Order: sequence, then structure tokens, then C-alpha cells
Amino acid sequence: NAGVTQTPKFQVLKTGQSMTLQCAQDMNHEYMSWYRQDPGMGLRLIHYSVGAGITDQGEVPNGYNVSRSTTEDFPLRLLSAAPSQTSVYFCASGLAAYEQYFGPGTRLTVT
Amino acid sequence: GDSVTQMEGPVTLSEEAFLTINCTYTATGYPSLFWYVQYPGEGLQLLLKATKADDKGSNKGFEATYRKETTSFHLEKGSVQVSDSAVYFCALRMGAGGTSYGKLTFGQGTILTVHP
Repeated sequence: NAGVTQTPKFQVLKTGQSMTLQCAQDMNHEYMSWYRQDPGMGLRLIHYSVGAGITDQGEVPNGYNVSRSTTEDFPLRLLSAAPSQTSVYFCASGLAAYEQYFGPGTRLTVT
Repeated sequence: GDSVTQMEGPVTLSEEAFLTINCTYTATGYPSLFWYVQYPGEGLQLLLKATKADDKGSNKGFEATYRKETTSFHLEKGSVQVSDSAVYFCALRMGAGGTSYGKLTFGQGTILTVHP
């Protein structure tokens, strides 16, 4: 098992560019989610999914889109990057509602 | 809404010292409580959990007891090691079902540095 994988590990974007952060898991987990981590603010939930075809917004969804066409993949799309989206992004997945496994993170810088 | 408050850091200790990191929560209902640890350059790992009042979670020498009366879940370790240096996050999750299914609410994190 590879667990939860995220690509890329690092990314630099210019303001206004779009990109997709990839997340995949090979544990057949129903639940997947995206968080952003900012200094002094812990992790904040962006979007989550409870199964293929089902997604919902978290605490800070503006500027991000998600889709869940398969159980394994849960990509996060930045539509038009802004400096405020500079952060570390973590994807997580889990079978049970509370046992979540986190990926290694993607460090994004928007200039 | 639900929230988690952790003691402010950073916390700096000498090896073999006693560790306490305070965590209190606000929630409507009866959440499950968690401590996650993040080692440098890595993602978060579940350290321990408690799903109901008076439960004690423990792992790797760390312990935390779910105290409903004080809405707290303080993390303790009797003798820290240099390898415990990391960021520690307290988190809560409300019951499964409905729109809150699986959503974790995190505290802001506490940086722990242990010196030899």
C-alpha cells in the first residue's frame, strides 16, 4: 500500500494561473478531504467527499473546486491562484469517520 | 460552531522532562477527540484518540483523557525524548452521519522542541 499520495510536492504559481493538486489513495477509503495549513491557524477544511460522485464544502472553499469521479482520486483545482492561497495543502482519507490518514503535503507559493 | 483551543507554543523542554500540552474544546454534542503529530517535513499522523467521556487514549508513552466536565483533552508524557520534537495538533470530530460526517476541527498546533 502506498497510502495517500500527493503530487506535486512543491509548486510556484503566478497570480491568476490555475492548477490541479493531485491526491490518490489505494486503501479503498470512502472519505477523502483537503485541508490547508497556515502558520498559527492549524488545519482548515477546504472540501471533502464521502464517496464517488459526492462532494461538499468545508470551512474555506472559496477559490477551490473538487470532483470525485473514482474512489481513489480526489483532485483539488485552483481556478485563479491568489497570493492568499500560498499554503501547505494536505489530502486525507479514511474508512471510518475518525481514522484519517494524511498525505505528505504540497507546498504552494503564489507570487 | 465547533472549535479547539491549544496552549500557545512553542514549548521547549530538556530530554526526560514532563510534557503537558493543554487542549480545550467547544462543541454542541459529544465529539470524538484526537491528537495528531506532525514531524518535520511530513504529513499528520494520528497519535491517539478517545471517543467518549473518561476514555484515555495512549500511544508511544503519550496519554490524554477525555474530560467532559472541563471540556479538555490535555496531552501528557512523563519523559520526553529528542525524537518527540514535532508539532502537535488537538482535533475533534462530531458524530458520523449528516453533513458533519468525518470533518475534523483542528487546534492551531503546538511546536515542541526537546533538547538533549
